[in-house]
Amino acid sequence: KAGVTQTPRYLIKTRGQQVTLSCSPISGHRSVSWYQQTPGQGLQFLFEYFSETQRNKGNFPGRFSGRQFSNSRSEMNVSTLELGDSALYLCASRSPSTDTQYFGPGTRLTVL
Amino acid sequence: GDSVTQMEGPVTLSEEAFLTINCTYTATGYPSLFWYVQYPGEGLQLLLKATKADDKGSNKGFEATYRKETTSFHLEKGSVQVSDSAVYFCALMDTGRRALTFGSGTRLQVQP
Repeated sequence: KAGVTQTPRYLIKTRGQQVTLSCSPISGHRSVSWYQQTPGQGLQFLFEYFSETQRNKGNFPGRFSGRQFSNSRSEMNVSTLELGDSALYLCASRSPSTDTQYFGPGTRLTVL
Repeated sequence: GDSVTQMEGPVTLSEEAFLTINCTYTATGYPSLFWYVQYPGEGLQLLLKATKADDKGSNKGFEATYRKETTSFHLEKGSVQVSDSAVYFCALMDTGRRALTFGSGTRLQVQP
């Protein structure tokens, strides 16, 4: 089975812009979660989507949003980018049989 | 809330040395416990997991035992290799929320 894929792998944006990141889960996985990884805050949970519905949300401002499509692919959007949004954004899909999350390679976002 | 505490790194070892990375957790209920590994420039790879007390997870020579009485999930390997150099993350998942809570990560450097 193909693993979790994320596009693009690298992005450079400027403050105030918005960005959309994409994630395709492992075939058969309907749950997709997003995490932010920074040197200062470590790995933090953003939100989880299941069957096109947001099921859980972490402690992030409303500038961070997401959605999931009927084929389980997910996108996350960050509006009005700030310097502090520079991070590695990781997507994970959850196996329905083992309840284990498998991660993609991440999207490295740099905000200038 | 839930939390995971890992030993500070970096941990520097010579090849074939014994490895222990300590991990303790605080959680309500009965979380599942995980070790993930991150190689430079990559996402997280699942190393091993345990879902209930006294379970032992193992993979690629690494082992960890779910100790409920000490709320610990220490990672061990009998003989490390240079290729084991990476950052190791301990994590728990509350089965209700299905969001992973990560420790701060421990960088392992193995010297030939």
